[in-house]
Amino acid sequence: ETGVTQTPRHLVMGMTNKKSLKCEQHLGHNAMYWYKQSAKKPLELMFVYNFKEQTENNSVPSRFSPECPNSSHLFLHLHTLQPEDSALYLCASSQERGRGGPDTQYFGPGTRLTVL
Amino acid sequence: AQSVAQPEDQVNVAEGNPLTVKCTYSVSGNPYLFWYVQYPNRGLQFLLKYITGDNLVKGSYGFEAEFNKSQTSFHLKKPSALVSDSALYFCAVRDIQSGSTLGRLYFGRGTQLTVWP
Repeated sequence: ETGVTQTPRHLVMGMTNKKSLKCEQHLGHNAMYWYKQSAKKPLELMFVYNFKEQTENNSVPSRFSPECPNSSHLFLHLHTLQPEDSALYLCASSQERGRGGPDTQYFGPGTRLTVL
Repeated sequence: AQSVAQPEDQVNVAEGNPLTVKCTYSVSGNPYLFWYVQYPNRGLQFLLKYITGDNLVKGSYGFEAEFNKSQTSFHLKKPSALVSDSALYFCAVRDIQSGSTLGRLYFGRGTQLTVWP
């Protein structure tokens, strides 16, 4: 166990559904991340939150909407998704110290999303 | 621009033989380098990292990696492979001078390691 949990582990949804992915970290970290992992493609960074502030949105379509209510929880709200959005969605957290050092990102187990 | 290359999509080795998974990187400043492993239907697990100091870094499960600045490489190694080492391995780099991209890691495409009995 890495200290980062994700729910649900598997999700099947239609293109008109609205659903949310949840991530929780128990490591006392101050930064959280959403990544998308598709078959045969590099890991894609979607969003970064540092001290609850979104610091990076990597040109992600608006049908993905992140929410970070506190430094321990991160959500990814999904609506009107497309079949090509089917992928493994990974959450990660780290303790960021600015230029003070490289902090290891710890990953959750992921949510396997299938869009029909 | 920061980037990571893993030149081999697949590496196959016999159990008990040494293994090497290759990684080269490109950054504008000093690199911080990481290796992660991913088992089927799981998230990425941290194996080891290089920050500074000894070029040979030891990590989990008997893995080690050697930082070579002149060749801009950070190859993952293990002296004696196990069948249970079979997994997908990712190399990642972070440029410590990229202040506007705090926390951003650049990942390679991954190398599938298969260890056969």
